[in-house]
Amino acid sequence: DAKTTQPPSMDCAEGRAANLPCNHSTISGNEYVYWYRQIHSQGPQYIIHGLKNNETNEMASLIITEDRKSSTLILPHATLRDTAVYYCIVDYGQNFVFGPGTRLSVLP
Amino acid sequence: DTGVSQDPRHKITKRGQNVTFRCDPISEHNRLYWYRQTLGQGPEFLTYFQNEAQLEKSRLLSDRFSAERPKGSFSTLEIQRTEQGDSAMYLCASSSQGGLFRLVNTEAFFGQGTRLTVV
Repeated sequence: DAKTTQPPSMDCAEGRAANLPCNHSTISGNEYVYWYRQIHSQGPQYIIHGLKNNETNEMASLIITEDRKSSTLILPHATLRDTAVYYCIVDYGQNFVFGPGTRLSVLP
Repeated sequence: DTGVSQDPRHKITKRGQNVTFRCDPISEHNRLYWYRQTLGQGPEFLTYFQNEAQLEKSRLLSDRFSAERPKGSFSTLEIQRTEQGDSAMYLCASSSQGGLFRLVNTEAFFGQGTRLTVV
């Protein structure tokens, strides 16, 4: 079973920051938080992952709370091509367990 | 293209027939995963390999399903006596091991999937 909970859907205006929350209150000390997204009819695409510290790459930023019980994925300037289902996954070396994710709609 | 490739992309088969899918992972990745995804749902884990060893199988993987990775490179997923409920997208992914203790997964890269339709 997925160890995370996410809102089922969110809207974001094009050009604005999209902030996608994820709760993982049962996370253990050595489990990483991963984010993937899936655009219609394609395989999931890796976005970013982190353990304790905030992370940033060319796609997004990941903010993890100090107690590690929740995190937020930030897409700084959302475009229409960012419309997708976003999955938050907690994993340590086993397999990646996907929940239902958040369907993000970027609106023009 | 050096990503994960899956073949075929689409497969239509009659109920009761056997089907086999192939996955070629990223060459230096020692972990390979199979997932199944039905419409409107997130991917469901089926099984994973570390090199040629099959380390975990989901309860979703009934006796009609078998996966192999004979030389630790490509993998095949076979479904025998297909049923209409097997209709789904079958996704393959690969990753390597990282982290301080080399147990943690690095990011997984997914193929485009094989869409199976059982009629």
